[in-house]
Amino acid sequence: KAGVTQTPRYLIKTRGQQVTLSCSPISGHRSVSWYQQTPGQGLQFLFEYFSETQRNKGNFPGRFSGRQFSNSRSEMNVSTLELGDSALYLCASSYTTGAPGPLETQYFGPGTRLLVL
Amino acid sequence: QKEVEQNSGPLSVPEGAIASLNCTYSDRGSQSFFWYRQYSGKSPELIMSIYSNGDKEDGRFTAQLNKASQYVSLLIRDSQPSDSATYLCAVMATHAGKSTFGDGTTLTVKP
Repeated sequence: KAGVTQTPRYLIKTRGQQVTLSCSPISGHRSVSWYQQTPGQGLQFLFEYFSETQRNKGNFPGRFSGRQFSNSRSEMNVSTLELGDSALYLCASSYTTGAPGPLETQYFGPGTRLLVL
Repeated sequence: QKEVEQNSGPLSVPEGAIASLNCTYSDRGSQSFFWYRQYSGKSPELIMSIYSNGDKEDGRFTAQLNKASQYVSLLIRDSQPSDSATYLCAVMATHAGKSTFGDGTTLTVKP
């Protein structure tokens, strides 16, 4: 079974621009979560989508948004980029049933490394 | 206090030794616990998951969970240089796709 895929893998943008990142989950997985990883803050939860609905959201400004399509693929958008948005953006998918157990396990994609100049 | 805390590193062990990684969490409602390994420049890779108190073994890896003490650990037996990486402890409480991660412990296994 193919793993989580993310595109693009690398991206260079300038301040003020916007960017859209894409994530395709493992086949059959219904939940897609997005995380930001930086050396200073570690892995921080952005948001999670399930059945095209945002179920959970982290403490990030409204410039960070996302969506999920009917095939479970997800996109994340960051508008008005700031230097501090430079990070590795990770997508993780899980099957999820809402109960503790192996189906909640999140598997990560390779990430998109974003550099804002 | 951080929601998930890991023992500060870096941790260095000789090849063949046991590496012990520790993690404490603050949310008593947490029910799912994960250990991920992350090599430099790569994404996190799942090593172990554990959901109930006690030990869970998988090859050279053993995860231990004590919910009363809000403590989870990972033991790596017969450590190999290829185990050198950052190990991330993740805790899931609400099961709405959100894991809370510790800052990670960097392990170096010296040949």
